[in-house]
Amino acid sequence: ELLVESGGDLVQPGRSLRLSCAASGFNFGDYAMSWVRQAPGRGLEWVGLIRSKAYGGTTKYAASVEGRFSISRDDSRSLAYLQMNSLKTEDTAVYYCAREYYSGDCHSCYYGLDVWGQGTTVTVSS
Amino acid sequence: DIQMTQAPSSVSASVGDRVTISCRASQPIYTWLAWYQVKPGRAPKLLIYSASSLQSGVPSRFSGSGSETDFTLTISSLQPEDFATYYCQRGKYSSYSFGQGTRLEIK
Repeated sequence: ELLVESGGDLVQPGRSLRLSCAASGFNFGDYAMSWVRQAPGRGLEWVGLIRSKAYGGTTKYAASVEGRFSISRDDSRSLAYLQMNSLKTEDTAVYYCAREYYSGDCHSCYYGLDVWGQGTTVTVSS
Repeated sequence: DIQMTQAPSSVSASVGDRVTISCRASQPIYTWLAWYQVKPGRAPKLLIYSASSLQSGVPSRFSGSGSETDFTLTISSLQPEDFATYYCQRGKYSSYSFGQGTRLEIK
């Protein structure tokens, strides 16, 4: 069970960037995928998620990125994407993708983010 | 939005000590809480899910408890490899959020 992020780069403020998350070793389509970031010297910040097709492929976002970032998935290729537009210097961070087994059948259950990638670095600077 | 607040922000302890970290939600969140361990340069590691369930492969010295607004992570007997930063996270519905982290340092 492996997740590998790619696409991190140095970009200017206001520009766009797309990150990819490639999954292997498990049935990607059964899982929700989250993106989490950690800015230098800061704590973890949840960015957003996309649920599995069984739960409508619903997306949710943190307020700090709502309207600028979007998450999508391609189950046929076991890929998740984070499209980042109108980038700001405060978006500079290591970005991780992580999987979650989401079940609407168990009201009390939250299974957490159990598999993480190694992270990809995004630097927003002029 | 629901805020997650951890206490303390840092703690110093010795090998063999028992350590407790608290996490408080600004609104009730049932048992939709997870705990993670983060070491520098490494991806976060899931320790506890559904507030009190131990993730597979995690040593039994880690335990979680609580529900609704008050949660606790306990390490019963600190080992050298446990010195790291710990985060709580709410999940399941709406937007997820992490606590600000608790840094566990060697005394």
